[in-house]
Amino acid sequence: AQTVTQSQPEMSVQEAETVTLSCTYDTSESDYYLFWYKQPPSRQMILVIRQEAYKQQNATENRFSVNFQKAAKSFSLKISDSQLGDAAMYFCAYRANSGGSNYKLTFGKGTLLTVNP
Amino acid sequence: NAGVTQTPKFQVLKTGQSMTLQCAQDMNHEYMSWYRQDPGMGLRLIHYSVGAGITDQGEVPNGYNVSRSTTEDFPLRLLSAAPSQTSVYFCASSRPRHEAFFGQGTRLTVV
Repeated sequence: AQTVTQSQPEMSVQEAETVTLSCTYDTSESDYYLFWYKQPPSRQMILVIRQEAYKQQNATENRFSVNFQKAAKSFSLKISDSQLGDAAMYFCAYRANSGGSNYKLTFGKGTLLTVNP
Repeated sequence: NAGVTQTPKFQVLKTGQSMTLQCAQDMNHEYMSWYRQDPGMGLRLIHYSVGAGITDQGEVPNGYNVSRSTTEDFPLRLLSAAPSQTSVYFCASSRPRHEAFFGQGTRLTVV
């Protein structure tokens, strides 16, 4: 079974600084997606960034980028120029693209990010 | 653009009561799922559907029932509420090989 591990329950960063959230996963699949979702206090789940496993280039969305190491099964999220609005719970998630499992997201337990002014 | 709409946003139930959490999406997505979120546990899959008339169990299905008679709607039924079902519930929808979109969640308390 696939598992997703976020080893940092909590992280903090100073406003305007850079922070990296860690995620590792375990799978025997070769075709899959990885996602980072943000959950602010409003509870809404917001997609931050996604990475397709067969793409070697790391995904980037404005201040958010990932370091995808397929062989190491690592998928970290880097937030540059942190803003107060980045404070939230961040979830790493995995989804296989094979027909039997492509409906299901497997989530890590989350990392609570605090941004200090 | 409504996306995924869940109702209600908050609910308090007494042990043994039944209720239905509603979920509707207007994006014509084939896949719909229900997750529950508990502190320190991330989100766990309760039930899912890959199309109208097709449903199946996820990781934590006990005490819940689902049906999918239309593409748009995927209600989650609690048959006899228990305190262990106190949680935040999320409905999600997606197309195959695309990201999931989530509703705003329902905070359910069973007393």
